[in-house]
Amino acid sequence: EVQLVESGGGLVQPGGSLRLSCAASGFTFSSYEMNWVRQAPGKGLEWIAYISRSGSTIYYADSVKGRFTISRDNAKNSLYLQMNSLRAEDTAVYYCARLSEARAYDYWGQGTLVIVSS
Amino acid sequence: DIVMTQTPLSSPVTLGQPASISCRSSQSLVHSDGNTYLSWLQQRPGQPPRLLIYKISNRFSGVPDRFSGSGAGTDFTLKISRVEAEDVGVYYCTQATQFPRTFGQGTKVEIK
Repeated sequence: EVQLVESGGGLVQPGGSLRLSCAASGFTFSSYEMNWVRQAPGKGLEWIAYISRSGSTIYYADSVKGRFTISRDNAKNSLYLQMNSLRAEDTAVYYCARLSEARAYDYWGQGTLVIVSS
Repeated sequence: DIVMTQTPLSSPVTLGQPASISCRSSQSLVHSDGNTYLSWLQQRPGQPPRLLIYKISNRFSGVPDRFSGSGAGTDFTLKISRVEAEDVGVYYCTQATQFPRTFGQGTKVEIK
């Protein structure tokens, strides 16, 4: 069974940092492209980062470029999101999502909540 | 960036009746490889999103056949043939043809 489990969320002050993790199981992690998608409270979905199977190709949304860093460790079946210079508008549930070969987000984690507030 | 526009934003439906959601993209979603990477997601209250349809019209594993997708180019539709209580939630279209990936605003399906 495919499972994605996010962790690392919490309350952080503006300007602070947080590192999210996504532990993958039930599939060959290194064979799939991965993404982070977030959802602000009561709002829609926002794609924020993509990483290729090897980690050699990365894309970001403009809203997080220069502040967030996506990475992966295929040996540990894990995806990461390093978030720096956090702002109030980064408050959201952060989901990791697997990208299928058909380029669809076929599996999602339950999400981890990040609250940026003083 | 490709803008995804969904209509309606809210759809009150009677149980057993059909529902239809439109998604329009600001540019063609046909990729240079010939595929159109348009998919539909369902998000039930308090749950993460769930994949329903990929590449316009392909149902994902375990998705009931009352869900169907159609369209081409810039205009796409998700149809629910007979709405059931478990279909309540927000539906999103999304494109993976081009970066940045984008989502529609979401359409809330609720029971009248």
